[in-house]
Amino acid sequence: GQQLNQSPQSMFIQEGEDVSMNCTSSSIFNTWLWYKQDPGEGPVLLIALYKAGELTSNGRLTAQFGITRKDSFLNISASIPSDVGIYFCAGRLEASYGKLTFGQGTILTVHP
Amino acid sequence: KAGVTQTPRYLIKTRGQQVTLSCSPISGHRSVSWYQQTPGQGLQFLFEYFSETQRNKGNFPGRFSGRQFSNSRSEMNVSTLELGDSALYLCASSFVGFPTGAYNEQFFGPGTRLTVL
Repeated sequence: GQQLNQSPQSMFIQEGEDVSMNCTSSSIFNTWLWYKQDPGEGPVLLIALYKAGELTSNGRLTAQFGITRKDSFLNISASIPSDVGIYFCAGRLEASYGKLTFGQGTILTVHP
Repeated sequence: KAGVTQTPRYLIKTRGQQVTLSCSPISGHRSVSWYQQTPGQGLQFLFEYFSETQRNKGNFPGRFSGRQFSNSRSEMNVSTLELGDSALYLCASSFVGFPTGAYNEQFFGPGTRLTVL
């Protein structure tokens, strides 16, 4: 079963607001990845994190690799309608090669 | 560079049949991972292939199998289909550094939507 707890499960926000979501685990991960998935499509990679404490931005998106290596968060600033979708965190355990463990996803709805 | 491609995009089968799904990774990526996505269980790891060898396997029955060819293209097969096998099957590829063996980002294809009737 999944080992990542992602919250919140869903968010309803107004356009222009900032969004924050996070993932926590009881296991230590050496990689954290954040994806966005639109209906009927595969997940699209947003940000990849490889070091504890690392803070990385991609446009209006910012993600951090927690210093305990057991958590990560994603922030979206000044949301726009096209941010609508499902956001997933994914972690890679040491020596797990190509296996990613996924969170349950955060469904984001943006009201114009 | 072309992204990860999967064929077919949609498939309808009946119980008891078998199915083969295909995945072509990004050029230069030798690792291919497969996932099953359902509303109830989310994204679950099936298996990973690297240089034609299965490197890692998830907790799925033996009806689920896969293979990888020398050009890194991969196929997964599901035999004796059950209703519960209806899902979006996703393939993802990664570049693996040499000689470190370090995995970089994992990129997904659009998926194959399998419906079992």
